[in-house]
Amino acid sequence: QLQLQESGPGLVKPSETLSLTCTVSGDPISSNTYYWGWIRQPPGKGLEWIGNIYYRGNTYYNPSLRSRVTISVDTSKNQFSLKMTSLTAADTAVYYCAGKGVTVTNPFDSWGQGTLVTFSS
Amino acid sequence: QSVLTQPPSVSGAPGQRVTIPCTGSSSNIGAGYDVHWYQQLPGTAPKLLIFGYSNRPSGVPDRFSGSKSATSASLAITGLQAEDEADYYCQSYDYSLSGYVFGTGTKVTVV
Repeated sequence: QLQLQESGPGLVKPSETLSLTCTVSGDPISSNTYYWGWIRQPPGKGLEWIGNIYYRGNTYYNPSLRSRVTISVDTSKNQFSLKMTSLTAADTAVYYCAGKGVTVTNPFDSWGQGTLVTFSS
Repeated sequence: QSVLTQPPSVSGAPGQRVTIPCTGSSSNIGAGYDVHWYQQLPGTAPKLLIFGYSNRPSGVPDRFSGSKSATSASLAITGLQAEDEADYYCQSYDYSLSGYVFGTGTKVTVV
């Protein structure tokens, strides 16, 4: 069974870069049946898709975040990562990593437990 | 900004049936992209509840069902139980945004 676990700092400051890592277990991240994604949820608000990556490095980003976001994959560690720049208080959220099938019609069927990232000046 | 609209809340008594609509447009649901539903219990990560409009993953009770019309979808919960109190989100793909979109979310309360 696929399991995902987010890790990274819980507090970020202005001018810093948010860096989160998702460790995948139960299946190789190089499986050709999965895309790996990041989704966030501000406190008390709804879900927002950030972007996806395929093990070969193909990336797909939310147009509203594309200029600030980079998603990368490390197949040797079975991990994928999120980097976000130009942070503001609006980036305070629980960040989830998730896995989904490779077609646009596939759902996000495996989720990490989420990690809260707070922006603090 | 969410392009899939849901009512903020619905409520029902134990045993009743409630429905949650998810209204989209011609660039997402109306374009034929599948709708999926997620249940988020308090303090936990979302869990896939319904995929491809009406399919249930293993372990999801058949009290949960989904349907579709032209540019919208619905989640129905029959025989409402206290454990169904949660937030529910629909999700699809939008070709004009070239990305995945979630609904605004609906809080279900068992009164």
